[in-house]
Amino acid sequence: GAVVSQHPSWVICKSGTSVKIECRSLDFQATTMFWYRQFPKQSLMLMATSNEGSKATYEQGVEKDKFLINHASLTLSTLTVTSAHPEDSSFYICSAPVDDNTLHFGNGTRLTVT
Amino acid sequence: QKEVEQDPGPLSVPEGAIVSLNCTYSNSAFQYFMWYRQYSRKGPELLMYTYSSGNKEDGRFTAQVDKSSKYISLFIRDSQPSDSATYLCAILTGGGNKLTFGTGTQLKVEL
Repeated sequence: GAVVSQHPSWVICKSGTSVKIECRSLDFQATTMFWYRQFPKQSLMLMATSNEGSKATYEQGVEKDKFLINHASLTLSTLTVTSAHPEDSSFYICSAPVDDNTLHFGNGTRLTVT
Repeated sequence: QKEVEQDPGPLSVPEGAIVSLNCTYSNSAFQYFMWYRQYSRKGPELLMYTYSSGNKEDGRFTAQVDKSSKYISLFIRDSQPSDSATYLCAILTGGGNKLTFGTGTQLKVEL
């Protein structure tokens, strides 16, 4: 079945540094990928839509200069959290559509900013 | 009003019980409804999806949509400890696979 691979699964970084998270579709191509953030005991909140070969579309309230998204190929999207701060600590999850109505998710990246 | 509302639980049931998980939604135009299961520290896994009203069954799981009351349900029969997870309802609320999730209901099935 369709697999979405996300790396790393967890990362700890110091405040002010940048962290890159990768999302790959392993056996299918994805012109679009989605990035979500999930705080403890809360739901997934869509941050942005990553579009292969063009700019990402950000949801209201999400800083595009802080959360840089690059979708350089049909199987890879990256999210870079720039100048990370403790309030950016969260669970970041990517997803890719397998068909018109089905999204498969990666296993998430737990980011802790100290 | 939120687009999708879900009771966060936690919900604790004995093994073998029938579990009922529910969500309500606000926009009658929504057509596609999904249920995801999320284990701790993992990404969500698609369980089932339904289109429009009616029931859909897959093994021990049944998804039900009542568009007249804007209410969706997931039933789990003969619940097992391995079913312990957070269950999220999700609705396709826009074009291009845009999903809106409920807060998730944390389920614990006890021996």
